[in-house]
Amino acid sequence: DAGITQSPRHKVTETGTPVTLRCHQTENHRYMYWYRQDPGHGLRLIHYSYGVKDTDKGEVSDGYSVSRSKTEDFLLTLESATSSQTSVYFCACGGMNTEAFFGQGTRLTVV
Amino acid sequence: EDQVTQSPEALRLQEGESSSLNCSYTVSGLRGLFWYRQDPGKGPEFLFTLYSAGEEKEKERLKATLTKKESFLHITAPKPEDSATYLCAVQSPDNTDKLIFGTGTRLQVFP
Repeated sequence: DAGITQSPRHKVTETGTPVTLRCHQTENHRYMYWYRQDPGHGLRLIHYSYGVKDTDKGEVSDGYSVSRSKTEDFLLTLESATSSQTSVYFCACGGMNTEAFFGQGTRLTVV
Repeated sequence: EDQVTQSPEALRLQEGESSSLNCSYTVSGLRGLFWYRQDPGKGPEFLFTLYSAGEEKEKERLKATLTKKESFLHITAPKPEDSATYLCAVQSPDNTDKLIFGTGTRLQVFP
């Protein structure tokens, strides 16, 4: 699992509530990513980080924010969850010009 | 637009029946192409990285090849345990390490 832990693994939340997903890595990777995976869309990048406090948007960033205060932790926050954010969320880590390694995923259901 | 297209969407093989999965890409200046395997309920697992046309990588029954427009994942004499979804991704051409994913090929190998 390349030392990547996502928490929680499963969550059910109500529409309109804030939700935070956590990604923790032990390999000191510089780059960290949050993807969502939906049927028919594949993996789509939400946000990524290229260092502590250095983050940028991906292709589906609306409604999401991220923070990285330490090398090992990358947090994804859904500011006000909507049903369209029901998905499986994956964290990934990697270095410059190398492969990315993925966590086990968080299944989020917004009801 | 940078894009990755995988075909077929699904493939059913008899054990021992060799075949190939296709990944075609349109990106200005390929920096790297990646193959991943994903089992149900798990995160993608890294298989191969290819960087230049003509390059080949092998691992057990899998062999990945790369041309200027597409990559193939050849599966020789597959076994039921090779059943999984195989994902292809390319590095974004914008000098970040973001990955652009295809939607995957779901492979089922029957005994």
